[in-house]
Amino acid sequence: GAVVSQHPSWVICKSGTSVKIECRSLDFQATTMFWYRQFPKQSLMLMATSNEGSKATYEQGVEKDKFLINHASLTLSTLTVTSAHPEDSSFYICSARGTGPFDEQFFGPGTRLTVL
Amino acid sequence: AQTVTQSQPEMSVQEAETVTLSCTYDTSESNYYLFWYKQPPSRQMILVIRQEAYKQQNATENRFSVNFQKAAKSFSLKISDSQLGDTAMYFCALVGGTSYGKLTFGQGTILTVHP
Repeated sequence: GAVVSQHPSWVICKSGTSVKIECRSLDFQATTMFWYRQFPKQSLMLMATSNEGSKATYEQGVEKDKFLINHASLTLSTLTVTSAHPEDSSFYICSARGTGPFDEQFFGPGTRLTVL
Repeated sequence: AQTVTQSQPEMSVQEAETVTLSCTYDTSESNYYLFWYKQPPSRQMILVIRQEAYKQQNATENRFSVNFQKAAKSFSLKISDSQLGDTAMYFCALVGGTSYGKLTFGQGTILTVHP
């Protein structure tokens, strides 16, 4: 299957700072990327859908000013957690897919964010 | 709206034995796909098996097979000859034809394979 990378794999930051997480599709062009948040032993919670060249669509309850998503190209999407607080500590996962309605989603390895 | 329900939070099985994970779903879509994903301790999501709703034949992938009961909206995963490497959290998921690719996940089942 296709490969999706995330960087960094883990990050520790101080409360009030911003953190950027990159998601790259390495061997295919991803029309759509998704950002998820996952707490331990829980399911993936979709945060937003990112389409190349357009504004991200956020799920209900997700603060778009806090979680800034940019899909600058067909291979790169970024999630910036602005003014991070301890409650933002979580595991963030991105996925990427092509254009078909049933195209497979390929998942990145995830980024563990710890806010002190 | 679509929902996926996994009613078994945790399960365990002995190595080499067979285990079945349950999943029920609800959707108003006429065309949809169902998936089972595996998330091992590394937390990398791995696609285990997929089933197109319009296909009556149950999907199989080596030791993994599904029992797809469309009328009952049930989609269970059977793992045969369980191996230690099967220890993971398993998620059932659904995507509808008009969902723009958005997956709806179940709550997950933590499977532990004991030696």
